[in-house]
Amino acid sequence: QKEVEQNSGPLSVPEGAIASLNCTYSDRGSQSFFWYRQYSGKSPELIMSIYSNGDKEDGRFTAQLNKASQYVSLLIRDSQPSDSATYLCAVTNDYKLSFGAGTTVTVRA
Amino acid sequence: GAGVSQSPRYKVAKRGQDVALRCDPISGHVSLFWYQQALGQGPEFLTYFQNEAQLDKSGLPSDRFFAERPEGSVSTLKIQRTQQEDSAVYLCASSPYGLSGANVLTFGAGSRLTVL
Repeated sequence: QKEVEQNSGPLSVPEGAIASLNCTYSDRGSQSFFWYRQYSGKSPELIMSIYSNGDKEDGRFTAQLNKASQYVSLLIRDSQPSDSATYLCAVTNDYKLSFGAGTTVTVRA
Repeated sequence: GAGVSQSPRYKVAKRGQDVALRCDPISGHVSLFWYQQALGQGPEFLTYFQNEAQLDKSGLPSDRFFAERPEGSVSTLKIQRTQQEDSAVYLCASSPYGLSGANVLTFGAGSRLTVL
């Protein structure tokens, strides 16, 4: 079992809709949780970090964390074509990030 | 520089050749990480430096992989006797912080290695 699992894609959503991405992790000691966006052929870019249970909002992005269920999610509201990318979930309890395989999102104009 | 710089961006090697990949982190960044990203997968941790000290090399896949950061700035990842399974993008990331450095990482554009 991989340490970090993400819902398999690709995920196709119409422009203006909400894209919902899910991630589960196996290490109960994980303390920090991140969502990275990676455009094709580019490096990962941090878009959200969350450290405590609940929701964290930043613009059109909302991250949700439930440590009891070992579950992290990312909602992208009012999806734009520029949001088309692969989204990587990453967790850590120290300095090493464990990444999921990513979910590819395509926003249809 | 303004970001993390990696070179070469693309490298094609014949099986058995040695390769060296360079990472120039953001000036003053204490922590430096190497990750390996296979096609369609997330990055996998290889090794971690705090200044010039290599504190963790547990992710290096075999003794053919070697990394150094002798003066606490530029780092080189060396792969000896390359194999086809080494084909991947090698990402370097740096952080201004020490052991909490994972919280604020800047990734370079990566070096894509293809072994024929």
